Amino acid sequence: GAGVSQSPRYKVAKRGQDVALRCDPISGHVSLFWYQQALGQGPEFLTYFQNEAQLDKSGLPSDRFFAERPEGSVSTLKIQRTQQEDSAVYLCASSLVATGINYGYTFGSGTRLTVV
Amino acid sequence: DAKTTQPPSMDCAEGRAANLPCNHSTISGNEYVYWYRQIHSQGPQYIIHGLKNNETNEMASLIITEDRKSSTLILPHATLRDTAVYYCIVVNYGGSQGNLIFGKGTKLSVKP
Repeated sequence: GAGVSQSPRYKVAKRGQDVALRCDPISGHVSLFWYQQALGQGPEFLTYFQNEAQLDKSGLPSDRFFAERPEGSVSTLKIQRTQQEDSAVYLCASSLVATGINYGYTFGSGTRLTVV
Repeated sequence: DAKTTQPPSMDCAEGRAANLPCNHSTISGNEYVYWYRQIHSQGPQYIIHGLKNNETNEMASLIITEDRKSSTLILPHATLRDTAVYYCIVVNYGGSQGNLIFGKGTKLSVKP
C-alpha cells in the first residue's frame, strides 16, 4: 500500500482482556518500529524489527507485551491481561533501510487502545 | 542520544514564517538533527533532517548553528494545516537502526 496501515483504529478492552494490534508496513520496508504514545506525551519506543528479526525489545514495559513479525512484513503487537495503564495510542513505523541514514520513518495513524 | 529542548508552545499568524527553535547542546559529531510533526489524531510525519549544513526541501528549511548546539525549523508561509506538534530529535546512526527518542515537542498553533 501507499502508507503504513494499522488496525483496528480504535480498540476498547476490558481490564484483563488480551488484545492484538496489527501493522502493515510499506511493502519492501526492512525496518519496523512500535511506539506507545500516552495522552499529551511524545511517542515512546517499544520494539524494533529488521525483517523478521526482533533486534531490540528494550522498550516493552512488561512481559505482558509481545511483538512478532514472522515473515518480515506484517507485525502484530500483543498485550496480555490488559491494565488501565496500557491505555494509549500504539504507533507503527517502517523504513526502507536497515541501518544508516534514512529520509525519515513513515508512521501509521495508530491504534487507540482504551482499557476500561 | 543527545537530549533536545524545545518551547512547549508557539503561535504564528497564517501566511507568516514560523520559526521553531531547538536546543541540542550535547549533540555529538555523528548525530543528525531530525524534525517530525504530528497533526492531531495522526502519526508523526517526517519533515527534514541535517548534520551540519543548512537544508531545504518542499516542506521546510533547517538552519543549524555552526557549533551545532541548536537549530531552527522554518516553515516559510505557515497555513492552518501546519498546526501540529513539532518534534526535534537527535539521532545517532553509529551502527544502530536509529531509534527515535521523542520529547514533548512544540505545539504550533497557526491562527487566521
